[in-house]
Amino acid sequence: GAVVSQHPSWVICKSGTSVKIECRSLDFQATTMFWYRQFPKQSLMLMATSNEGSKATYEQGVEKDKFLINHASLTLSTLTVTSAHPEDSSFYICSASPRQGRDTEAFFGQGTRLTVV
Amino acid sequence: DAKTTQPPSMDCAEGRAANLPCNHSTISGNEYVYWYRQIHSQGPQYIIHGLKNNETNEMASLIITEDRKSSTLILPHATLRDTAVYYCIVRGSNSGYALNFGKGTSLLVTP
Repeated sequence: GAVVSQHPSWVICKSGTSVKIECRSLDFQATTMFWYRQFPKQSLMLMATSNEGSKATYEQGVEKDKFLINHASLTLSTLTVTSAHPEDSSFYICSASPRQGRDTEAFFGQGTRLTVV
Repeated sequence: DAKTTQPPSMDCAEGRAANLPCNHSTISGNEYVYWYRQIHSQGPQYIIHGLKNNETNEMASLIITEDRKSSTLILPHATLRDTAVYYCIVRGSNSGYALNFGKGTSLLVTP
């Protein structure tokens, strides 16, 4: 099946620094990718929709200036957590589909565990 | 997108069928029912999806009621590796066809 890969799998950073997470679709092109965040013992929460060649669409309550999303190519989207703080520590997951629509499987990356100290 | 309701947890003996229910009484005619599962600290894994007909693949079967207000995911012979959180998701066109996850059912398969 199709593969979505995230890098890094885990990262520890100091408070106030920025961290970039990459999401790649390895064997298909994706005009749209999605970014989620998951806190311990909670479900995945959609943060934003990443659109190739245009601005990302953020869900209500998600700060666009803090979570910078760039979708520069059809196989790569990046999420940069700027000026990270301990409350940003979470599990970040991306997903992508070979095509848009309700009747198409979405593939997920393995996730990135961010710890801000 | 329609909301879903699932029991928070279920147990199943290894080798037996696991039947996971999901209610989605407000589902619209063009919304699909998806099932994903998440093993601890991993990304969600696709299981199966359907619109109104029952579906079967190598992992599971999906039974959708005729009125489409509920569905059941069936793992025919559960193994210990099937222990995970299972999410039933109704997929519409909100947020660019994003999958919106509810709380899911934590399935524990016991020896």
